[in-house]
Amino acid sequence: GQNIDQPTEMTATEGAIVQINCTYQTSGFNGLFWYQQHAGEAPTFLSYNVLDGLEEKGRFSSFLSRSKGYSYLLLKELQMKDSASYLCAVMDSNYQLIWGAGTKLIIKP
Amino acid sequence: IAGITQAPTSQILAAGRRMTLRCTQDMRHNAMYWYRQDLGLGLRLIHYSNTAGTTGKGEVPDGYSVSRANTDDFPLTLASAVPSQTSVYFCASSNSASGELFFGEGSRLTVL
Repeated sequence: GQNIDQPTEMTATEGAIVQINCTYQTSGFNGLFWYQQHAGEAPTFLSYNVLDGLEEKGRFSSFLSRSKGYSYLLLKELQMKDSASYLCAVMDSNYQLIWGAGTKLIIKP
Repeated sequence: IAGITQAPTSQILAAGRRMTLRCTQDMRHNAMYWYRQDLGLGLRLIHYSNTAGTTGKGEVPDGYSVSRANTDDFPLTLASAVPSQTSVYFCASSNSASGELFFGEGSRLTVL
């Protein structure tokens, strides 16, 4: 079966750096997405990786290793507004998205 | 309308009743999707439509139906609601080329 694993919850301090990991086992691979979802709101797109390596976008970076079935989202200079759930999703060989359950990130002052 | 709009935002429904969740987008995206989101689970695809006039079943289609008469609208119908359909429902659309999904604000449905 297809599976996306990410930690349920993480806590970090304002101003610090946090890395949210995602491992996947899917039938085929056509890219990996990270979405941010604030409580009670809709998910919003953060990043897309289809090739190995690091993609940097401001304070957020996303890394992919296809051979290891692994990705991480790196958040730098954490701000209180970064408190949210972070969803990892993989597009399989049928171009359907398989979603992880999300990682709830709690930022403390 | 800007983006993707869902209605209603929230609804409490008696079991056995019929309910339609509405979804409209103004981005001219070909693909549209209905997901449900439950605590502790990832988003699960109910139905999708790759283009107007076509629909397909997702991971959890039972008890739900959809139609796609035109590009903009993609309603989701629960023919006879059951308590296990209590969930938050998200409609989404995508420009097929990018794969990025744009989500509506969600419809919180409670079936009693």
